[in-house]
Amino acid sequence: DGGITQSPKYLFRKEGQNVTLSCEQNLNHDAMYWYRQDPGQGLRLIYYSQIVNDFQKGDIAEGYSVSREKKESFPLTVTSAQKNPTAFYLCASNRGDHPFNEQYFGPGTRLTVT
Amino acid sequence: GQNIDQPTEMTATEGAIVQINCTYQTSGFNGLFWYQQHAGEAPTFLSYNVLDGLEEKGRFSSFLSRSKGYSYLLLKELQMKDSASYLCAVGNDYKLSFGAGTTVTVRA
Repeated sequence: DGGITQSPKYLFRKEGQNVTLSCEQNLNHDAMYWYRQDPGQGLRLIYYSQIVNDFQKGDIAEGYSVSREKKESFPLTVTSAQKNPTAFYLCASNRGDHPFNEQYFGPGTRLTVT
Repeated sequence: GQNIDQPTEMTATEGAIVQINCTYQTSGFNGLFWYQQHAGEAPTFLSYNVLDGLEEKGRFSSFLSRSKGYSYLLLKELQMKDSASYLCAVGNDYKLSFGAGTTVTVRA
């Protein structure tokens, strides 16, 4: 079965620690995305990558970093510089060859930082 | 900038019809997407409009007017499983900008 996996589903960290969220897809999609979702707000784009070894900042990139060394993987690091890291993080992917392609989402990781 | 507005909540009865409106003002436009999201789960794709008019997919239909910056999602023959959040998103340059979502509650 093709799809996007994110693990773990729930993640707890202490303030001041960096944490890396995983995102893996076996859909052979070129483009991958990271979003953050907070209660009462829409999904906000953190970073996106349209091709291996290249990525761009989204609307709220401060305090986050990414890498795209493999087509299948797009890990997101939440650094200690992120002021409000507690949120639901969603990874998505699409074919990326056309702006009309819908994005497929992973199940999400709920990060709690105390 | 991107501004996408949709109502926060709607309630309807099982078997009824509900229309969720979405208005947008964005710097670019490649199409309008609707997603369904159940609580704590990933959004799933429902529909896509790039040209003006109505697209029908079973119990769900979506309408777009680009000149008015307006779309709606119509849910017919509501079922309890349709209780979810519905997200309007505008595509622009390979990215999506999302509205805050409309929580639909279906009552028996």
